[in-house]
Amino acid sequence: AQSVTQPDIHITVSEGASLELRCNYSYGATPYLFWYVQSPGQGLQLLLKYFSGDTLVQGIKGFEAEFKRSQSSFNLRKPSVHWSDAAEYFCAVGGYGGFKTIFGAGTRLFVKA
Amino acid sequence: EAGVTQSPTHLIKTRGQQVTLRCSPISGHTSVYWYQQALGLGLQFLLWYDEGEERNRGNFPPRFSGRQFPNYSSELNVNALELEDSALYLCASRGPTGPQETQYFGPGTRLLVL
Repeated sequence: AQSVTQPDIHITVSEGASLELRCNYSYGATPYLFWYVQSPGQGLQLLLKYFSGDTLVQGIKGFEAEFKRSQSSFNLRKPSVHWSDAAEYFCAVGGYGGFKTIFGAGTRLFVKA
Repeated sequence: EAGVTQSPTHLIKTRGQQVTLRCSPISGHTSVYWYQQALGLGLQFLLWYDEGEERNRGNFPPRFSGRQFPNYSSELNVNALELEDSALYLCASRGPTGPQETQYFGPGTRLLVL
């Protein structure tokens, strides 16, 4: 069955510290992988996506993610977190046709001064 | 390029009423998706429209329905509102199939049912 697991419901990081948000997926075909960010009361903004090629993907706002097929993972990273990064982050996996896109439950990021 | 737009931004209804939410996709996008995001829950897939047709629906009762117009904009209708319908309703649009398999989201409509 297709699924996305974000093991951490919430994470707290100090401002300036590094960040890694975990995402594991189960998908029967070659996956398209996405990370979105949602600020409170807002829609989802696309941070980055992976379709093929280089397994290290650069996104907006200084985020990057690495696709590891052997581990079925697509973890999101940022070397230095800013207070404005506090939000909810969603990992998603999809395939051809779009309608099979499945979202994880989200990880809420708190940033402390 | 304008993004996905949704209207209204906020809405308050009472139980039993009906509501219509609207979504305009990014220009050139033919697919529209609707999601419900209730407090504390993730994104629950509601409906997918493409080229004017309903292509798939999530595990929601028939009182959730919608349509897509020739200009690819879409409406989501919810009849006989219940308290648990209170949520953020998100619309997303997607471009043509192939490498651009990405959904772009609107700001959402916050619905409160009293």
